[in-house]
Amino acid sequence: DQQVKQNSPSLSVQEGRISILNCDYTNSMFDYFLWYKKYPAEGPTFLISISSIKDKNEDGRFTVFLNKSAKHLSLHIVPSQPGDSAVYFCAASEPGGYQKVTFGTGTKLQVIP
Amino acid sequence: KAGVTQTPRYLIKTRGQQVTLSCSPISGHRSVSWYQQTPGQGLQFLFEYFSETQRNKGNFPGRFSGRQFSNSRSEMNVSTLELGDSALYLCASSDGFSGGELFFGEGSRLTVL
Repeated sequence: DQQVKQNSPSLSVQEGRISILNCDYTNSMFDYFLWYKKYPAEGPTFLISISSIKDKNEDGRFTVFLNKSAKHLSLHIVPSQPGDSAVYFCAASEPGGYQKVTFGTGTKLQVIP
Repeated sequence: KAGVTQTPRYLIKTRGQQVTLSCSPISGHRSVSWYQQTPGQGLQFLFEYFSETQRNKGNFPGRFSGRQFSNSRSEMNVSTLELGDSALYLCASSDGFSGGELFFGEGSRLTVL
């Protein structure tokens, strides 16, 4: 039962353009959502997060949008850079402050110079 | 500040054997979580330890076990290895209350023959 779904396994974008990565979830108990980035042969790195009480969070070139009614979130990268090429994981956690995080299967982003 | 250290980085075992993986968290972090990453499945939560106590457990069989020591270092053990246990095992540390903002190690790549 995949509670966090990333339906696009891969995405290619031209350098300088916007990258939009999408994620859907089914568990209404999730109250905290995160995006992680993973390069080959490295562990995932935390990128940005958003609480369920917000609908947008911005950090530099990265913005995460949350649509609770649609159980959908997205990560926007503007402008995209070749160094952004990596696998992006959407993740979510339930209340309680515990560290059980449910991850999606990842989207491989390729930014073409 | 040293990151999360996992050992060994690579190992090969045969079916039926057991394996022990080690994780040293970031200094000061009391929470250690373990995840299994396989192609197409994303990261699957195994368990989390906080101050030597298992605080959360994922849906894995009892062959997967772990423990945490008083210095917060953690080990996970997999007994009676199966071919399907071949995966990247990732350890993540945090303060235990960050809602899912984890610091990952580079992982231990297990191959079961």
